[in-house]
This record gives sequence, structure tokens and C-alpha cells, in this order.
Amino acid sequence: DVKVTQSSRYLVKRTGEKVFLECVQDMDHENMFWYRQDPGLGLRLIYFSYDVKMKEKGDIPEGYSVSREKKERFSLILESASTNQTSMYLCASSPGGGRRQPQHFGDGTRLSIL
Amino acid sequence: AQSVTQLDSQVPVFEEAPVELRCNYSSSVSVYLFWYVQYPNQGLQLLLKYLSGSTLVKGINGFEAEFNKSQTSFHLRKPSVHISDTAEYFCAVRRGGATNKLIFGTGTLLAVQP
Repeated sequence: DVKVTQSSRYLVKRTGEKVFLECVQDMDHENMFWYRQDPGLGLRLIYFSYDVKMKEKGDIPEGYSVSREKKERFSLILESASTNQTSMYLCASSPGGGRRQPQHFGDGTRLSIL
Repeated sequence: AQSVTQLDSQVPVFEEAPVELRCNYSSSVSVYLFWYVQYPNQGLQLLLKYLSGSTLVKGINGFEAEFNKSQTSFHLRKPSVHISDTAEYFCAVRRGGATNKLIFGTGTLLAVQP
């Protein structure tokens, strides 16, 4: 089974802090994704990476950046955290080379910005 | 542009009753459709997927979905629900382009009551 591991289940940070959310997958997947989940809005794509050091903006990239230095690890960075970034963050991965592949999700990080 | 509509934000149902969760999509590209389930405090788990072929797709936990091209729908059904089916259900459609990025609906909370 694919395992996508997010480093923290719950995180509390302060406004203005630089925040790192880490995600690791163990299946050698090319594609990795960061989503934000808010009630009534579903999942919204923040950033997508299709290879090491390669990234694409999603639908809501403002206030976020990402890093992918190794294939198995994809980090989401909140450059200067704000209260409107309080949310559930989900990481996912999928194999490359095809549009039919489903995405596999981690358990999420519930982030609170005070 | 692709989009997914889940009209019902919440569906209450009694245990052992049948249920249908509705999903409508719009897509100008080849349609790949997915249903995911999210149990409380967990990430998303793939329930089933439609890629091609038979329009009736069977998934895990006794769920099935029917792809209807003329009505642009992909409704999820289960003939008899259990308390343990209480969760949020997300419908998703593949975006255009060469990758497997998805667009998610806003989710439907299935609340099974004894």
C-alpha cells in the first residue's frame, strides 16, 4: 500500500511565523500535491510538483511556496503565516506517466494560526 | 473549464436504508471520474473510479457509481448503509492537460443514524 506521511497532525503557530509542512511518500511517485481543505469549499490545489525541483502553481498559491529537493519529500512553506491560512492541509501523491492514476492522500495537518 | 457540483452538502439517512450521493460534472476533455471518502480526522481514501468501459463501477465497502454521459452525472449509491459509512464523500474529475490533477467537489456529508 502507498503510504503518504505528513509530519504533524496538529500544528499551532503565530501570525508572521514561517511555517513548514512536510510530506513524505514511499512509493517513488513522480507527482505530489498540496491541497487546502475548508468547510463548504472542498479541496483546493495550492501547488503541484511533477518531478524533483519542478513545481506548478495551483488555484490558490498566494502566500505559499513549495520545495521538492528529493523525490519522496514535498514541503509546503507559509512564508509569513496569517490567520486566514488556518485550515486543514492535505498532501497527495500519484505515479507519473498517466492521467488515469488516482491520487493517494496523507492524513492531513490541521494548522491553526493565532 | 472543468467543474464538479455536489448539490447536497449533507445527506441524513437511517441505518440499512439505501443512499444516493449526487455528482454532476462539466468537462471538455476525456472524462476520468473519482469518488473519495474521508472519515473523521483522516485523509481521503479512494472509493472508486471511472476511466472507461462499463458505466457501472463498483468500489470498496459496497459502494457503486454510474457514469451517465448524457446527464453528465456520476452518482454514488449504496443499497444498505451502516453507521460506519458516516463520512464526507468527495467527487472529483480530471483536469485537462497531460497530468492527473483533479478538480474536487465541495463534498457531501453522509450522516447515518441508528
